[in-house]
Order: sequence, then structure tokens, then C-alpha cells
Amino acid sequence: DTAVSQTPKYLVTQMGNDKSIKCEQNLGHDTMYWYKQDSKKFLKIMFSYNNKELIINETVPNRFSPKSPDKAHLNLHINSLELGDSAVYFCASSSDRGWDTEAFFGQGTRLTVV
Amino acid sequence: QQQVKQSPQSLIVQKGGISIINCAYENTAFDYFPWYQQFPGKGPALLIAIRPDVSEKKEGRFTISFNKSAKQFSLHIMDSQPGDSATYFCAASRVLMDTGRRALTFGSGTRLQVQP
Repeated sequence: DTAVSQTPKYLVTQMGNDKSIKCEQNLGHDTMYWYKQDSKKFLKIMFSYNNKELIINETVPNRFSPKSPDKAHLNLHINSLELGDSAVYFCASSSDRGWDTEAFFGQGTRLTVV
Repeated sequence: QQQVKQSPQSLIVQKGGISIINCAYENTAFDYFPWYQQFPGKGPALLIAIRPDVSEKKEGRFTISFNKSAKQFSLHIMDSQPGDSATYFCAASRVLMDTGRRALTFGSGTRLQVQP
């Protein structure tokens, strides 16, 4: 029973296309995140959502937009894909109650833009 | 601005040796420091964590050493094994002033390779 699941696991697409990555968590967490991991394995936060409210938005191009239909889902939409968007994208969730909050990650979506 | 600085970027250790990964932070609002372990093709997973009111936490072969005055913390892997080969991320958590919610900031990661 997967705690954080994201689909698809692999995504190959051409430049200029629009694509979406879906994420669902069944942990009852309040906060969900999207992270980007580049080829050097650097893990950078893109967005986090808490109760449908964006609370962190790093310097991400506006071609990227998170959509949260409910607390258990946070989808990532990417418009006009560029070569530099190729990376592994991780969805994660955490509870914001208590100091020892742990982030649970999905398996990742490897996006390749050709 | 990188709030949590991690080093080295990569590390090669012989089987049975000690692996040491270091992290440093500036923001004194951080009050919880977890380490995450990531195997190839998988998402990061919590390995061990520490609060700043203790200087050391040990779980099996993994130990976190914490120096509050220096704002530094490190992960030590004793008797390193090939199965420990992974990418390790330090992280720091704090409560955001404007929302009252917690936020987690990751270091840049260290690729550890333990040679047999």
C-alpha cells in the first residue's frame, strides 16, 4: 500500500509540449511538495501546498504550475517543455504537526525532453 | 541562497571504513535535523534525525553528531558496507514565521560509494 504515489514513472516528450505528473498520498498529511532532482542529484524544492494554499514557491518558471484538487493530491503541470526541464521530479508529503515532521517521498518521475 | 551546505559532493570509502558527511547551516530558527538516504531509482527516505538539544544520536551503525554553537552537524557511518552506497541528504526544519507551518530545507546531497 504505497504512501505517496506518482505517475507516470517515466515520461519522454518533445520540446514545446505540455505535460502533467500526478501525485497522491494516503497518509492524511497536510502538506505536499514537488522537488526537482537534476543530473547531479541536487534536490531542490519547487512547490509546497498546505490545505490548498501555496506556502513555498521558489524561483520556478511560471511554465510550472501545481494543482491541488484536494488535500491528498498535488499534480504538477508543465507547459512549453524545454530541454532543461529534463530531470527527476519527486512528490512528497509531510504532516506539519509537531517538530519531528518527516517527509515521505514518491518514487519519482523521470522526465526526458527531446 | 543555500541555507544548508553539505559536503563532500561525493565520497568513496572502503568496506569497513567510516563514512563522514558534513552539513552546516546559518539560520538559527532550524530546530530539527534529519538525514535522508536515497537509493538509485527511489525517492529519499528518512534515515535518522536529531534535535539540537542533544549532541549525538546513534542508531546502529549510523550516528549524527551535532554542534549547536558551530551550527554544524554530521553523519557518521561506521563499518561502511557496499549496501550503504547511496546518496545522502542532510536537511533542516523550521517553523515559518508567516504561516506557522514547518518547512524542510535539504542540503545538496552526497553520493557515497562503498567499495568491497
